[in-house]
Amino acid sequence: GEDVEQSLFLSVREGDSSVINCTYTDSSSTYLYWYKQEPGAGLQLLTYIFSNMDMKQDQRLTVLLNKKDKHLSLRIADTQTGDSAIYFCAEIPDNTDKLIFGTGTRLQVFP
Amino acid sequence: DAEITQSPRHKITETGRQVTLACHQTWNHNNMFWYRQDLGHGLRLIHYSYGVQDTNKGEVSDGYSVSRSNTEDLPLTLESAASSQTSVYFCASSESEGELFFGEGSRLTVL
Repeated sequence: GEDVEQSLFLSVREGDSSVINCTYTDSSSTYLYWYKQEPGAGLQLLTYIFSNMDMKQDQRLTVLLNKKDKHLSLRIADTQTGDSAIYFCAEIPDNTDKLIFGTGTRLQVFP
Repeated sequence: DAEITQSPRHKITETGRQVTLACHQTWNHNNMFWYRQDLGHGLRLIHYSYGVQDTNKGEVSDGYSVSRSNTEDLPLTLESAASSQTSVYFCASSESEGELFFGEGSRLTVL
């Protein structure tokens, strides 16, 4: 089947904005998720968006959803070195009740 | 505080040996999952359980087995370890479908 796709790497300067993109597989997915994995740790849920929304903002994080193109993005404003991590998008497709993860994007923040 | 712990955190073994990775959660969650993480593949589901005595195969279940004799534990067994099973393994638990709580991972090397 199709994969949830993300670019593997993103490098940004401290203080700039980061935009992490994701193309998911099922336009019927009710919720879409962003998880963060810090070095040497497990994943933690960062934020999620309901499929009837096109934007959600939470402090420095903005999630944008384009259902027509099955495109999800995570914008981090004023990126800090502590934001360096791997970010995974995830969905629960309509034909399953399990979370399907993307390939992950490694964000590196340099001074 | 409730938590989810994995052991061992690191293990080196030889091809053909049986290996068991432990996962213990104190969230009292019904749902538990095992994933493996490999570069370029993101997280792939190995096995999962929705409750005691319930186990199900994920997308990459060949060569792995699980058992669920109580709510807290879901051990993952590699019956005869292969070099292709060198990976980082993550256990997770949840009550709702999209919010998973992950352990810190077990890095397994098969020589």
